[in-house]
Amino acid sequence: AQSVAQPEDQVNVAEGNPLTVKCTYSVSGNPYLFWYVQYPNRGLQFLLKYITGDNLVKGSYGFEAEFNKSQTSFHLKKPSALVSDSALYFCAVRDTTGFQKLVFGTGTRLLVSP
Amino acid sequence: NAGVTQTPKFQVLKTGQSMTLQCAQDMNHEYMSWYRQDPGMGLRLIHYSVGAGITDQGEVPNGYNVSRSTTEDFPLRLLSAAPSQTSVYFCASSYSTSGKEQYFGPGTRLTVT
Repeated sequence: AQSVAQPEDQVNVAEGNPLTVKCTYSVSGNPYLFWYVQYPNRGLQFLLKYITGDNLVKGSYGFEAEFNKSQTSFHLKKPSALVSDSALYFCAVRDTTGFQKLVFGTGTRLLVSP
Repeated sequence: NAGVTQTPKFQVLKTGQSMTLQCAQDMNHEYMSWYRQDPGMGLRLIHYSVGAGITDQGEVPNGYNVSRSTTEDFPLRLLSAAPSQTSVYFCASSYSTSGKEQYFGPGTRLTVT
């Protein structure tokens, strides 16, 4: 069965510093990987995805993610964090059996301090 | 384009009551899903639909029913509410093309007392 793991419940970073939110995956076959962000009292918003091609994927709000097949990782990164990036971030993998359901990680809360 | 809309935003039920959470999308998406979000557990799939008239169970379907009579609407019914169904519920939709991202509604926060 497909799964993703987000090993950190929370990541703290100072504004202006680079940030990384970690995600590892387990899939059979080629992975379709996604990052979503959830701001307080809001639904999830799509940030970026990896389907195939370049290992570095660029997404919304200056975020990018690096796909690493040998390490089965898909870490979310941003060169310079903003206070407004503070939110809950979810990594997800598409189930390869039939319907394209998403299997989500447990989420990582990012806190960016001024 | 309103995207994915959900009503109500908040609801309090007593144990044993029934209700329907509404979900609608105006993007002509074939796929629609219901998830529940609980602290420390991420999002878990309740039911999903691949098109009008076609629904199937996700990983936590017990206590919930769905139907899909139109492409636009995908209501979720709680038959007899239980405190374990206290959660935040999200509806999502997407195109059927492989690899397309899902679009999420703003959520319904349900409390069962």
